[in-house]
Amino acid sequence: QVQLQESGPGLMKPSETLSLTCTVSGGSISSGDNYWSWIRQPPGKGLEWIGYIYYSGNTHYNPSVKSRVAISVDTSKNQFSLNLSSVTAADTAVYWCARYNSSGYYYLQGAFDIWGQGTMVTVSS
Amino acid sequence: DIQMTQSPSSLSASVGDRVTITCQASQHISNFLNWYQKKQGKAPKLLIYDASNLETGVPSRFSGSGSGRDFTFTISSLQPEDLATYYCQQYDNLPFTFGGGTTVEIK
Repeated sequence: QVQLQESGPGLMKPSETLSLTCTVSGGSISSGDNYWSWIRQPPGKGLEWIGYIYYSGNTHYNPSVKSRVAISVDTSKNQFSLNLSSVTAADTAVYWCARYNSSGYYYLQGAFDIWGQGTMVTVSS
Repeated sequence: DIQMTQSPSSLSASVGDRVTITCQASQHISNFLNWYQKKQGKAPKLLIYDASNLETGVPSRFSGSGSGRDFTFTISSLQPEDLATYYCQQYDNLPFTFGGGTTVEIK
């Protein structure tokens, strides 16, 4: 079955650019109506969707981070990546990659049905 | 953005109890709502999609209902392994947004 695995640094300094990669195994990133997403949860807070990418490269970002975020896809490696620039302590969070399985007549109809294990990113000077 | 308001933020119940969580959207979202369970140190797990459909493999004690702005998530008979935080999530419009979560504790 499809599995996701995040990789990237766990500790960063303010103003640096966070780069995380999600490797998809057990299936092709190019198959089906899937939107490959990043989601995060700061300590003690709720879940925040960061953005998604379709295998074709189409993206959509949360306005809360839109000016600092870029999500890219490498279909040859079956990976997609998150870049978040100018990080601050507010970006300290557990970051997950997740598959949004779009399955219905409405293009957004679907759910986050597969998640990576998550990676903790701490921003500290 | 569509705001999702969950209540209560936490609850404590005994094994076997019926537990109900509500989620209210800031605008009409039809049945475009999912429910997730998040256990400590784990990724969220999809339980209910399209407001009332049980994800494959999820125990039948979990259920969801509602449409429009008001939704309900129910655990019919609470089990020890249900200790977790539960989140609703809307997909009527981007950005996807989640409720603030309801932490379920076992008495």
